[in-house]
Amino acid sequence: GAGVSQSPRYKVAKRGQDVALRCDPISGHVSLFWYQQALGQGPEFLTYFQNEAQLDKSGLPSDRFFAERPEGSVSTLKIQRTQQEDSAVYLCASSLRGMAAADTQYFGPGTRLTVL
Amino acid sequence: DQQVKQNSPSLSVQEGRISILNCDYTNSMFDYFLWYKKYPAEGPTFLISISSIKDKNEDGRFTVFLNKSAKHLSLHIVPSQPGDSAVYFCAASAPNYGGSQGNLIFGKGTKLSVKP
Repeated sequence: GAGVSQSPRYKVAKRGQDVALRCDPISGHVSLFWYQQALGQGPEFLTYFQNEAQLDKSGLPSDRFFAERPEGSVSTLKIQRTQQEDSAVYLCASSLRGMAAADTQYFGPGTRLTVL
Repeated sequence: DQQVKQNSPSLSVQEGRISILNCDYTNSMFDYFLWYKKYPAEGPTFLISISSIKDKNEDGRFTVFLNKSAKHLSLHIVPSQPGDSAVYFCAASAPNYGGSQGNLIFGKGTKLSVKP
């Protein structure tokens, strides 16, 4: 079956531009996570949705980052006024239930954002 | 301050031999540990996990060992195959960490190369 998909796969933005990154989770998966992976680092948690509710946004690095999942399926991560330090791979993951780490998270291929 | 540490950035092993990847953690509240495998340009793929109530979990060629007193876990791959060449991430989770129960704390990864 279809896995988690993300688009675009690569995005180049000029500093100050706004970007929107899309995640299509596995159909029927309740939980959706966004992670940021800087070069040479492991993924770092950004935010978590259970259906359409954003239950945890403690990892968002600044108020320039905004995520939504209005219908409990597709999610969009928006970064306003991009800065060079925002350059990273943005990973989306979904899980069937997601209320515990034992519920496997399935990751998409990521969007590589480069801010010039 | 890194709560999950993978101190070896890389490991090279001969095909057929054992690969041992190590991971240390600092947060005693972590109660679930996972290993993810990542190929270039792909998202991480779940490999194996272990609950803190166990000290060993085995799945085919992959075994994870947990030493709670030392706050250390390891992944053993026996026998190693060239297709195992990838970056391996150790991850941990704690109940209600950061407000949600599913977000994972990753190490920086270890790049495993299995030579034919």
